[in-house]
Formats: sequence, C-alpha cells, structure tokens
Amino acid sequence: QQQVKQSPQSLIVQKGGIPIINCAYENTAFDYFPWYQQFPGKGPALLIAIRPDVSEKKEGRFTISFNKSAKQFSLHIMDSQPGDSATYFCAASNSGATNKLIFGTGTLLAVQP
Amino acid sequence: DAGITQSPRHKVTETGTPVTLRCHQTENHRYMYWYRQDPGHGLRLIHYSYGVKDTDKGEVSDGYSVSRSKTEDFLLTLESATSSQTSVYFCAIRPPSGGDTQYFGPGTRLTVL
Repeated sequence: QQQVKQSPQSLIVQKGGIPIINCAYENTAFDYFPWYQQFPGKGPALLIAIRPDVSEKKEGRFTISFNKSAKQFSLHIMDSQPGDSATYFCAASNSGATNKLIFGTGTLLAVQP
Repeated sequence: DAGITQSPRHKVTETGTPVTLRCHQTENHRYMYWYRQDPGHGLRLIHYSYGVKDTDKGEVSDGYSVSRSKTEDFLLTLESATSSQTSVYFCAIRPPSGGDTQYFGPGTRLTVL
C-alpha cells in the first residue's frame, strides 16, 4: 500500500513533443505529490508539486494533472527541449511532521533534436 | 544543492569494512533524510532525523545506523559493508518555510567490493 507505480520506464520524444509520465498510488492518506528531475551525476531537484485539492497545476512548461478518484497523477512537459532530457521521479507522502517520501522507479526521458 | 554537502563524493571499500557517510547543511534545518538510489527502485528512505539525537527508521534501514549530534551534521554508518549496499546515497533536508519540499544533496557513490 506504500508503493508508487511509475510508467513508462523510458521515453523518447522529438523536440517540441509533449512527453507524459504517469504515476499511480494506493495509500489514500497521501496528500503531497512532488515531481523531481535528475540529471546524471546530480541530486534530484524539485520540479513541481501538487496537493489533492486541485486537479491541475502548471509551472512554465511543466503541468501536473491529478485524478484523486483514480489515485493517479501525471507530468506533462510542453514544447519539450533537448535540455529536458533527464530522469524524472514522482513521489508521494502523507505530509506533516516527518513527510517520508515514497518514490516511483523513475522515467528516463530523451528529447531528440 | 540547497546548502547541502556530502562527503565523500565517491568511495570504494571492501566487504566487511565500516563506512561512514557525512551530510552537512548550513541552514540548521530540523529535518534531514538519508536515501539510497538503485536502478529500478528509485529512491528509498533509509533513516531520517527530526532533531539532534532524534532519528527514526525508513523503509530500508537494515544494515545502517545514523547519528545526529549537531543540527548541521547527519551521519550514515554501514557497520559492516556488503555488496548489496553498493549504491548512490543522497541526503535531503526539509526547510520549515518550504512546506513538505525536500531538497537533495549531490550524492555519494559507494562501491562495496
């Protein structure tokens, strides 16, 4: 019940395309859902996060869509660029004092020029 | 890297030897976390701390211990390293002003031969 399932494992898109990465969770107590971006040799960096009281959140070219009833959330990258090539992780937690994040297994995105 | 340093950045050791990894933060944040990252598993929480001398286990704590004698330092110790502990280890902090956001350090790549 603590798992966060992420798909696809890898993704290749052309420049300008809209890659979509999906995550699903089981624990209905989760109420904080961040996405992290990681470049090779670096630590994960927070990209965008959402809470279940909204169905969509946009920050620049990055959008999270959230479906509470289906217990699913997804990341869309608009007008993708080669510089977006990285590994993306979704995560979930029951926010509060300890906020222990449960991560998905990651999606390796390659944006071809 | 959110004022977080990790040392060493790379380490190769032999099975059965003790290893200590250090996470240092400059902002005196209360919450600190240790994760390990492995292909196909994403990031998994090892231990976390919510104050000096206050620590608790995460989902993969077997074989690891932690200590926090000062706010700025969180140490992860492998008492007797095994090959299954070959991984990249990340430290994270959670600033009180950032809500549930966690910020990650640059990581330590540990190889146990």
